[in-house]
Amino acid sequence: GESVGLHLPTLSVQEGDNSIINCAYSNSASDYFIWYKQESGKGPQFIIDIRSNMDKRQGQRVTVLLNKTVKHLSLQIAATQPGDSAVYFCAVRRMEYGNKLVFGAGTILRVKS
Amino acid sequence: DVKVTQSSRYLVKRTGEKVFLECVQDMDHENMFWYRQDPGLGLRLIYFSYDVKMKEKGDIPEGYSVSREKKERFSLILESASTNQTSMYLCASNLGTGWNEQYFGPGTRLTVT
Repeated sequence: GESVGLHLPTLSVQEGDNSIINCAYSNSASDYFIWYKQESGKGPQFIIDIRSNMDKRQGQRVTVLLNKTVKHLSLQIAATQPGDSAVYFCAVRRMEYGNKLVFGAGTILRVKS
Repeated sequence: DVKVTQSSRYLVKRTGEKVFLECVQDMDHENMFWYRQDPGLGLRLIYFSYDVKMKEKGDIPEGYSVSREKKERFSLILESASTNQTSMYLCASNLGTGWNEQYFGPGTRLTVT
């Protein structure tokens, strides 16, 4: 079945450094790959998504890289700030399943000042 | 701004009680979702609804039911609460089929004793 996993449960970075959060997925038929951020006490918030026919997409201070060969997804955060401290989830969606997202377990990002 | 509200932030119920979790969105979204979030397991989809009175099972529907009588409101029902349903429950909504961005409420922490 579908599974989405993460390499590291916790990532600590120094403020100002770049962060890289990784995610592995199992189903090569996934059409979209999505990143969400969840701050303490809040619900997850959409960050960025990438379609399977792309290998890179950039947003504001974030870049998502998709390597379909090894079924790996990463989220890069440039110049990490204390406000970036949160749990980050990757999720996948297959168009044949419509609206359903499958979420990974999450990675905790801690930013040290 | 999209606003998704959940009726309670914290709820304590006894085993066997019937529990209602309410969710309201104010952006006329077509789709609404109920997830549960447990440490190390990420978000798992319980049920979702793509229209009034329409629903589909997610990955873990056992022990739950839902109701969507009005477009803005989606209720999750635990017919007979059990201790293994102690969890964080998150409601989300989005525009419709094909959208990856879901808007989440703050969550309800349910404890069943």
